[in-house]
Amino acid sequence: EDQVTQSPEALRLQEGESSSLNCSYTVSGLRGLFWYRQDPGKGPEFLFTLYSAGEEKEKERLKATLTKKESFLHITAPKPEDSATYLCAVQAATNAGKSTFGDGTTLTVKP
Amino acid sequence: EAGVTQFPSHSVIEKGQTVTLRCDPISGHDNLYWYRRVMGKEIKFLLHFVKESKQDESGMPNNRFLAERTGGTYSTLKVQPAELEDSGVYFCASSQGGAQPQHFGDGTRLSIL
Repeated sequence: EDQVTQSPEALRLQEGESSSLNCSYTVSGLRGLFWYRQDPGKGPEFLFTLYSAGEEKEKERLKATLTKKESFLHITAPKPEDSATYLCAVQAATNAGKSTFGDGTTLTVKP
Repeated sequence: EAGVTQFPSHSVIEKGQTVTLRCDPISGHDNLYWYRRVMGKEIKFLLHFVKESKQDESGMPNNRFLAERTGGTYSTLKVQPAELEDSGVYFCASSQGGAQPQHFGDGTRLSIL
């Protein structure tokens, strides 16, 4: 069974204080790993897709990396507007479409 | 481009009643998915449509849940009869291809009393 574990559960940062969120996964052949951002009362908003170990993607202050066992979402010099829950999900090569989600990391950035 | 739209945004019904949720995917997206999050748990997969066909319904909890996608456009998810444990947020998502990023609606918050 595919599994995704995210840590920490919650993270509080001061504005400008860089940090990383972790997503550990087990999947029977990875087709893709997805990062989403979710604001309260909203649906998940797509950020990145990573397909193979060593791949990296960047968008503004966010950078996602992938190894064979885990992915990191690095946040550089965060701002209060980066506060949200960040979700990680995987799709197995044998079942394109079905995404298995982690519980998420709730990030709070204080000014 | 309009995003994924879900109706209603909230629904409160009593145990034993019937509720129908609707999802309008992004235009041109053949793949449509239903997920749900129950209190304190992660978002869990329910099923996957490709056009009007059910590709994978392995996450449907039981036969009280019926999903349809007639004509391959919008989809409905009916719960009949609703039970207390069905409370949660039901999300719909769509994508162009099966392995492509999924775009989510804002969900329907379902409360069973």
